[in-house]
Amino acid sequence: DSGVTQTPKHLITATGQRVTLRCSPRSGDLSVYWYQQSLDQGLQFLIQYYNGEERAKGNILERFSAQQFPDLHSELNLSSLELGDSALYFCASSLGTASSSPLHFGNGTRLTVT
Amino acid sequence: AQSVTQLGSHVSVSEGALVLLRCNYSSSVPPYLFWYVQYPNQGLQLLLKYTSAATLVKGINGFEAEFKKSETSFHLTKPSAHMSDAAEYFCAVSGGGGTSYGKLTFGQGTILTVHP
Repeated sequence: DSGVTQTPKHLITATGQRVTLRCSPRSGDLSVYWYQQSLDQGLQFLIQYYNGEERAKGNILERFSAQQFPDLHSELNLSSLELGDSALYFCASSLGTASSSPLHFGNGTRLTVT
Repeated sequence: AQSVTQLGSHVSVSEGALVLLRCNYSSSVPPYLFWYVQYPNQGLQLLLKYTSAATLVKGINGFEAEFKKSETSFHLTKPSAHMSDAAEYFCAVSGGGGTSYGKLTFGQGTILTVHP
């Protein structure tokens, strides 16, 4: 058990809809990262927050947004969903922003857009 | 920009045989390197990490990896494969110049199959 909790585990929704994925980091970790895993793109970094502030942005679409709350949990909002957004979305956390610190991953949310 | 390349999307070995999963990195300065394992329907679990303390790094489940700067490689090995090692393995890089803020860049993954 990594200590990172993601909900829900599975999400099935229709095109054009909006969903929210939730992540609770390991106790004591201040950084939260979001990744998208798909068969064609592999593991793609989306966005990182540290102690409530956005720190790094990757290949995140404008239809997607995220935030980290004062209690350090994070939410990833996906809107105007398309079939191609179907993927496994992972949240990871680490103590800070040091490059030497490993990331600890949750079990992911599997999103299916129909 | 830093990147990693995993040679071979699928590797198949017999139980008891040597496991060798290849990873090469691209970075202008020495990076931090990691190997993760993903079992079906699970998240990624850290196997080991290289952070410049020692070039030969030992991880969990009998795996180890050697950092070779001259070859820009960080191959993962295990002397004797077990059926429970069947999974997908990811090499990842962090740091190595630029502003990474700790985010990892992953390779495409290698699926390890272990035959009885």
